[in-house]
Amino acid sequence: QSVLIQPPSASGTPGQRVTISCSGSRSNIGSNPVTWYQQLPGTAPKLLMYRNDQRPSGVPDRFSGAKSGTSASLAISGLQSEDEADYYCAAWDDSLNGVVFGGGTKLAVL
Amino acid sequence: EVQLVESGGGLVQPGGSLRLSCAASGFTFSGSAMHWVRQASGKGLEWVGRIRSKANNYATAYAASVKGRFTISRDDSRNTAYLQMRGLKTEDTALYYCIKQSSLAAVLNNWGQGTLVTVSS
Repeated sequence: QSVLIQPPSASGTPGQRVTISCSGSRSNIGSNPVTWYQQLPGTAPKLLMYRNDQRPSGVPDRFSGAKSGTSASLAISGLQSEDEADYYCAAWDDSLNGVVFGGGTKLAVL
Repeated sequence: EVQLVESGGGLVQPGGSLRLSCAASGFTFSGSAMHWVRQASGKGLEWVGRIRSKANNYATAYAASVKGRFTISRDDSRNTAYLQMRGLKTEDTALYYCIKQSSLAAVLNNWGQGTLVTVSS
């Protein structure tokens, strides 16, 4: 069981907006910024969002992040087929003294 | 361009040891914290541990599942990070990624391609 809780799957059709949630606790999301990673099939994960809502250069502005209290979310608007991937949230956990990940959400573009 | 190349994976028997290496290039290795994350086949990401830079006293931190069995070290003269694994268990079987942390704490901004460790008799 992962420390951060994500839905195992999500789906949408091209052009739709999809939101992936990530629930934690006071010692992780409640105290530290959230990071999101995207893992395309057969590849290594890639940084997608950091400090809750900051996009690294090269990440389209269709991707947005938010955090409130002990939860965070990743929204993808204008869904495209190339967005089909696994998405992971992560944060530093002050109690565990380490990085904790969500279990991952597999996004299907129907 | 940042490059991280892991090596040293392979098949090892339960109870055995293995040392993974991560050769880094394209950035100031000595100033960067380095992490290891693993992923069992078809499963999610699991953080293994990290080592900070010399400026931060090479401080290490480990996941509870590997603490006392795994050791992370670095050789800044060789731009290489290491993951020494002892007392390996079948549940340690996974693809092991080496990652460079950004200047921001716990932001893993460059990932290697991983090296596969299989623990089996």
